[in-house]
Amino acid sequence: DVKVTQSSRYLVKRTGEKVFLECVQDMDHENMFWYRQDPGLGLRLIYFSYDVKMKEKGDIPEGYSVSREKKERFSLILESASTNQTSMYLCASSDRQGHHEQYFGPGTRLTVT
Amino acid sequence: ELKVEQNPLFLSMQEGKNYTIYCNYSTTSDRLYWYRQDPGKSLESLFVLLSNGAVKQEGRLMASLDTKARLSTLHITAAVHDLSATYFCAVDAGGSTLGRLYFGRGTQLTVWP
Repeated sequence: DVKVTQSSRYLVKRTGEKVFLECVQDMDHENMFWYRQDPGLGLRLIYFSYDVKMKEKGDIPEGYSVSREKKERFSLILESASTNQTSMYLCASSDRQGHHEQYFGPGTRLTVT
Repeated sequence: ELKVEQNPLFLSMQEGKNYTIYCNYSTTSDRLYWYRQDPGKSLESLFVLLSNGAVKQEGRLMASLDTKARLSTLHITAAVHDLSATYFCAVDAGGSTLGRLYFGRGTQLTVWP
């Protein structure tokens, strides 16, 4: 079974802090994605990556950056956390050659106070 | 940019009844995915539809894809309480963004006795 893990289920940070969210997948997938999910807004794509050291902006990249130094790991960085970044963050991965079905991690609920 | 519209966004139905959720999308695609999300949980893959006329069934849920009409349906037969969840459809736009999925806003389904 594909497994996507995220470093924390719940996280509380203060405004202005630098925040790292880690995502690891164990199926050798090329594609990895970061979304945020807010009530009434569905899933919004922040960044994605098709390969190591590659990154592409999604629909809402402002205030975020990403790092992909290894194929299995994709990190989302909040350079200076703000209260409007309080949200559920979901990581996903998919196989470039297959059906592109995305497999999701359990999510990190981030609260910025 | 590809737009994905689901309707209804909220669905309250009695156990034993049938209903259909609709997913329309704005540009050509032959890859469509359905996901389920339980409250407080992450997304779980339900169906992958990869060609025009594709039909998949699992228990009381059946999904179909009409690429000419740019429409997918998720049909619920004889609903039971355990089907209460939020259902998302997602479309792969292909081309240079192959593997990136565009999600609908989700249909929140509540099944009551």
